[in-house]
Amino acid sequence: DAGVIQSPRHEVTEMGQEVTLRCKPISGHNSLFWYRQTMMRGLELLIYFNNNVPIDDSGMPEDRFSAKMPNASFSTLKIQPSEPRDSAVYFCASSLRDPRANTGELFFGEGSRLTVL
Amino acid sequence: DAKTTQPTSMDCAEGRAANLPCNHSTISGNEYVYWYRQIHSQGPQYIIHGLKNNETNEMASLIITEDRKSSTLILPHATLRDTAVYYCIVVQNEKLTFGTGTRLTIIP
Repeated sequence: DAGVIQSPRHEVTEMGQEVTLRCKPISGHNSLFWYRQTMMRGLELLIYFNNNVPIDDSGMPEDRFSAKMPNASFSTLKIQPSEPRDSAVYFCASSLRDPRANTGELFFGEGSRLTVL
Repeated sequence: DAKTTQPTSMDCAEGRAANLPCNHSTISGNEYVYWYRQIHSQGPQYIIHGLKNNETNEMASLIITEDRKSSTLILPHATLRDTAVYYCIVVQNEKLTFGTGTRLTIIP
């Protein structure tokens, strides 16, 4: 099992540019999460999907951020236009939701470190 | 989801048991206690979870008090590789909200 795969691992871009982060969840998992981590704010949940449908996007900072999950094996997080304050590590995680417990163990990717100059 | 309170940091000698406390006094009956850890620069890693009963796996043990208002994560024989930030999270649905956690440092 390859685990959750994120790309790119590192991205350096200039303010105003579009940034697209990609995530391939673990095969068979039905939930996908995007988190952002900074020193100041810690780990923040941005959005999560269940069966490819966005369930809660209340953590998405503003309209510049968008996330899609066109199929069960791929998701993107897009920032357009990017700003220096978007600099952070963005983590993707997936899980197999246990309907009995309404929870599931999250498996995280290695993260995408974004620097916006 | 219920809020959790953890000490900011702890030290533990290598080879000894590390006991990490967590208070979750507002936990409701159907909320689970989950523990994750994050080793520097890596994604968080699941450790263990429980509802009412104590739990044990190959990584750790989880002791939940009878009133469920607090819990303790136990790493039985801490190694230097256990140095990490440990997060205690109370979860009702699959939405995990991470707090600031406890920074555990294992001392050689």
